[in-house]
Amino acid sequence: EVQLVESGGGLVQPGGSLRLSCAASGFTFTNYAMTWVRQAPGKGLEWVSTIGISSATTYYADSVKGRFTISRDNSKNTLYLQMNSLRAEDTALYYCAKYYSLGSRCFDYWGQGTLVTVSS
Amino acid sequence: DIQMTQSPSSVSASVGDRVTITCQASQGIASSLAWYQQIPGKAPKLLIYGASTLQSGVPSRFSGSGSGTDFTLTISSLQPGDFATYLCQQSNSFPLTFGGGTKVDIK
Repeated sequence: EVQLVESGGGLVQPGGSLRLSCAASGFTFTNYAMTWVRQAPGKGLEWVSTIGISSATTYYADSVKGRFTISRDNSKNTLYLQMNSLRAEDTALYYCAKYYSLGSRCFDYWGQGTLVTVSS
Repeated sequence: DIQMTQSPSSVSASVGDRVTITCQASQGIASSLAWYQQIPGKAPKLLIYGASTLQSGVPSRFSGSGSGTDFTLTISSLQPGDFATYLCQQSNSFPLTFGGGTKVDIK
C-alpha cells in the first residue's frame, strides 16, 4: 500500500525557516518524481515544487523560488522541502504527492498534509 | 503561466442527477488535464488523467472529455459520496496550475 506521511509543519515567525519531510513507502521511490502542493485555509490548491527522480531536475512556483528548496534522499525514501524567509502568505497545509507515472505531471497518491502557520 | 478557469464555482444537485463541470485553459494544453475530487479534510483524489482516462478504481459514472482549451468532467448519476469539491489541473507545462474548484453540494 502506497503511503506518504508528511511531518515538520508548525508555527513559525515571519522570516523563519522550516523543513518539511515526506516519508514514502509502498512503491519504488526512485522511479517517481515527487511534488509539494499547498492549500491555504479555505482556498484552492497551489503547486509549489517538483523534483525529478535523480534530483537533477527541480521546478518551483514563482511565489517560492529563491526561498524554498526541494530535495530527496532516495536511500531513505524521503522527500524534503526546506522553507526559508517564510511569509504570512506561506501559511497552508502542505501536501506531498507522487507522480502517476514518469512525465505525467499529475498525482495519484497524496499524503494527509502538514500544516505550516507563519505568524508573529 | 496557464490559467485554469472552472465553472460553475458551485452546483447544488440531488442523488441521481447528472452533473457537468467545465474547465477552460488560457492556452492549448492538448490532453494534459487531470481531475481530482477533494472531500473536506481529506487529500485530493485523482479521478481522471489525460483528459479522459479513468484512474484505476474510480467508478465509471465519472467521465472526462475535451482537448486543447476546453474540458468537461461529467458525473452521470450523482451518488452520496460524490458531494465534494472537484478540481482540474493542467499537466502540460510548469508551473503546474489548478482550477479554482467546483463544489458539488446537496440540493
